[in-house]
Amino acid sequence: KAGVTQTPRYLIKTRGQQVTLSCSPISGHRSVSWYQQTPGQGLQFLFEYFSETQRNKGNFPGRFSGRQFSNSRSEMNVSTLELGDSALYLCASSLNRALNTEAFFGQGTRLTVV
Amino acid sequence: AQRVTQPEKLLSVFKGAPVELKCNYSYSGSPELFWYVQYSRQRLQLLLRHISRESIKGFTADLNKGETSFHLKKPFAQEEDSAMYYCALSIKAAGNKLTFGGGTRVLVKP
Repeated sequence: KAGVTQTPRYLIKTRGQQVTLSCSPISGHRSVSWYQQTPGQGLQFLFEYFSETQRNKGNFPGRFSGRQFSNSRSEMNVSTLELGDSALYLCASSLNRALNTEAFFGQGTRLTVV
Repeated sequence: AQRVTQPEKLLSVFKGAPVELKCNYSYSGSPELFWYVQYSRQRLQLLLRHISRESIKGFTADLNKGETSFHLKKPFAQEEDSAMYYCALSIKAAGNKLTFGGGTRVLVKP
């Protein structure tokens, strides 16, 4: 079966702009989580969506938002981009929310803010 | 808040030598621990989870609640083990949220 698909793979944006990243989970998976990966901070949890509802949120400013559609596809949006938002953004899908459910990761979207 | 620490950023070993990646966590309850691996040009993927108590690709990891550690070990490293390894923790109240350590790069030399 197809893995987690993230689009686009690469993005270059200017400070102050906004950006939308997309994630298509594995078919049948209802949970989608987003992570930011940077050399300095490592992998940090942004938020999790399950059945179209945000279930958990990390310590990121309100400029970072997301949503999930009825087909479980998810988007995350970053408004008023800052240079520090440059990072690899990873999406992970899981079958459900039970403990120990394996997370399947996408290839990521590399965002560069100039 | 929970935290995961991987003290080594880089581990360099020769092929056939044992390798141990350290992982320590801080959480007062009973977390679930995972090791994720990222090979060159591949996506992050699950290597093993403590609840399975299984050996994957020769790797094992034991949860030591007294020392709050979940070290990853392999008795004989292979060149194909060269990769980035991340220890991660989840707790029941947080659903699928994973808290990751900083990662350890393993380089297995021939």
